[in-house]
Amino acid sequence: ETGVTQTPRHLVMGMTNKKSLKCEQHLGHNAMYWYKQSAKKPLELMFVYSLEERVENNSVPSRFSPECPNSSHLFLHLHTLQPEDSALYLCASSQDSTQPQHFGDGTRLSIL
Amino acid sequence: AQSVTQPDIHITVSEGASLELRCNYSYGATPYLFWYVQSPGQGLQLLLKYFSGDTLVQGIKGFEAEFKRSQSSFNLRKPSVHWSDAAEYFCAVVPNTNAGKSTFGDGTTLTVKP
Repeated sequence: ETGVTQTPRHLVMGMTNKKSLKCEQHLGHNAMYWYKQSAKKPLELMFVYSLEERVENNSVPSRFSPECPNSSHLFLHLHTLQPEDSALYLCASSQDSTQPQHFGDGTRLSIL
Repeated sequence: AQSVTQPDIHITVSEGASLELRCNYSYGATPYLFWYVQSPGQGLQLLLKYFSGDTLVQGIKGFEAEFKRSQSSFNLRKPSVHWSDAAEYFCAVVPNTNAGKSTFGDGTTLTVKP
């Protein structure tokens, strides 16, 4: 089992930069997720994709733009971020929404 | 909508001592229940899950959890804690429907004293 792989592991960017986070799973799962994990705060679900269709967007600001080109890949495009967006961004996948989620190790994002 | 409560933000136990982490949920029916562990610098890893059947479920790393319907609880236990168990633990619930969405608790940080 190769699990869920996230790249890069660390990212430092200025508020005017544009960057993308990548997530890849080879588990044959149909659902993929983006979470934000900030210090001292609960895990926040950002987006859910099922069979490459976005099924959930939890009021995430438009400066975060997800993309799911196929069932194995998920991207999070970032632009004009704010300092409060600094956090650990976790990607996960599952067979369907009721099954356990498999998480990547996350991308630690720092906004200067 | 379902909700999950982990009453203990931080727990400290001595190595070799027993451990119980509490999880209470609110949902109209019996949901699917999960415990995950997150070590520093890593993502969450599934420890165990409950779908139906035997209310005492065994997981990895010597952990077990007991589902108690009358108390809406799914507490995690380990008889003897090891220093490597220091981590953050998350309880999660999912409605047992096709449109179910996971809800995670706020987590409990476990510190292990030598």
